[in-house]
Amino acid sequence: AQKITQTQPGMFVQEKEAVTLDCTYDTSDQSYGLFWYKQPSSGEMIFLIYQGSYDEQNATEGRYSLNFQKARKSANLVISASQLGDSAMYFCAMREEYGNKLVFGAGTILRVKS
Amino acid sequence: EAGVAQSPRYKIIEKRQSVAFWCNPISGHATLYWYQQILGQGPKLLIQFQNNGVVDDSQLPKDRFSAERLKGVDSTLKIQPAKLEDSAVYLCASSLWGLAVPYNEQFFGPGTRLTVL
Repeated sequence: AQKITQTQPGMFVQEKEAVTLDCTYDTSDQSYGLFWYKQPSSGEMIFLIYQGSYDEQNATEGRYSLNFQKARKSANLVISASQLGDSAMYFCAMREEYGNKLVFGAGTILRVKS
Repeated sequence: EAGVAQSPRYKIIEKRQSVAFWCNPISGHATLYWYQQILGQGPKLLIQFQNNGVVDDSQLPKDRFSAERLKGVDSTLKIQPAKLEDSAVYLCASSLWGLAVPYNEQFFGPGTRLTVL
């Protein structure tokens, strides 16, 4: 069964600095997808970035990049130039090889300081 | 394009009462998901529909939870009777298909926060 581990319950970062949120995963599937979602205090889940297991290049979306290390089974999210609006809960999730079901980690709460 | 709609946004009930949540997915999305998010945890899939058929309900407590998507569009999730441990945010999501393919990401609604007293 798939498992996602986010070991950082909470993180602080200074505005305009970069921050890395850790995510490790466990799966026996050969093909899988990794997602990061942002959940502000309002509650909705906002899709940030996607990495396929066969993608050779790390995914990037604006200020978000995913540091994918397949051999180490890690998929860390890097947020560059943090903004106050980045303060939220961040979830790493895995999609299994078949079907579109997502398995989520416990999340990391990020606080950006001015 | 309108997003996933859910109602109500908040609900407070007493244990053993019944409650129902409604979800309207993004137009054209064939796949609909209900997740339960307990405070301090990540969302957990309760049930996945493909059109009006159930794809996965392995984690749905079927003795008290039920869900339907009769016309393949909107869906309702019901809890009867509610327990204290059902207090959570119930998130609805939709995607174009139920396949594990790139760019088939799930889009989430704002959620319904349920408090069971």
